[in-house]
Amino acid sequence: DADVTQTPRNRITKTGKRIMLECSQTKGHDRMYWYRQDPGLGLRLIYYSFDVKDINKGEISDGYSVSRQAQAKFSLSLESAIPNQTALYFCATSDSADRGTDTQYFGPGTRLTVL
Amino acid sequence: DAKTTQPTSMDCAEGRAANLPCNHSTISGNEYVYWYRQIHSQGPQYIIHGLKNNETNEMASLIITEDRKSSTLILPHATLRDTAVYYCIVPEDYGQNFVFGPGTRLSVLP
Repeated sequence: DADVTQTPRNRITKTGKRIMLECSQTKGHDRMYWYRQDPGLGLRLIYYSFDVKDINKGEISDGYSVSRQAQAKFSLSLESAIPNQTALYFCATSDSADRGTDTQYFGPGTRLTVL
Repeated sequence: DAKTTQPTSMDCAEGRAANLPCNHSTISGNEYVYWYRQIHSQGPQYIIHGLKNNETNEMASLIITEDRKSSTLILPHATLRDTAVYYCIVPEDYGQNFVFGPGTRLSVLP
């Protein structure tokens, strides 16, 4: 969905480096999410944010941090990357005003490789 | 763990209807059922969702049993581009946590 963009799309880095993945959306949604996907598996929630002042840990937050700089921007940081953080990372958004449902819309993903 | 169970894989002939089942026997009265698909390593694509009634949109139909313990996603005329992993999701934590299980890998065959 072109309304949710992620940068970079691909990144190769070395163990111990700090990495930031960025997500921007033009959908006007208030909620944003970060997931990771390992080969052959489903997505797992890392962090989510329901508005600019709200940050919540997901299932696998250890080793990650996030920043919600504005309603449209949600960044994921790996302070000291390690090889088992090699994965596909997806950002998603949803609208709390969406009449009782919370349909999430995903970005194209960032493929991160930690050597 | 996901609150849904799906077959690991299914095949469907091109042009035929693809019927993908999902069991969600522990669903509660106000929880929605969502379907997404993921083509190769792209971002998951929203397909459809429903609560009680059957739903239809330009992509698919969703049939939910009367007891709401299972549902079926129907792609009426499958094409090769429908080959993907299909995820059936009942969000957890009051609808805020989308848990993606392994899904069903649908292969549409020529």
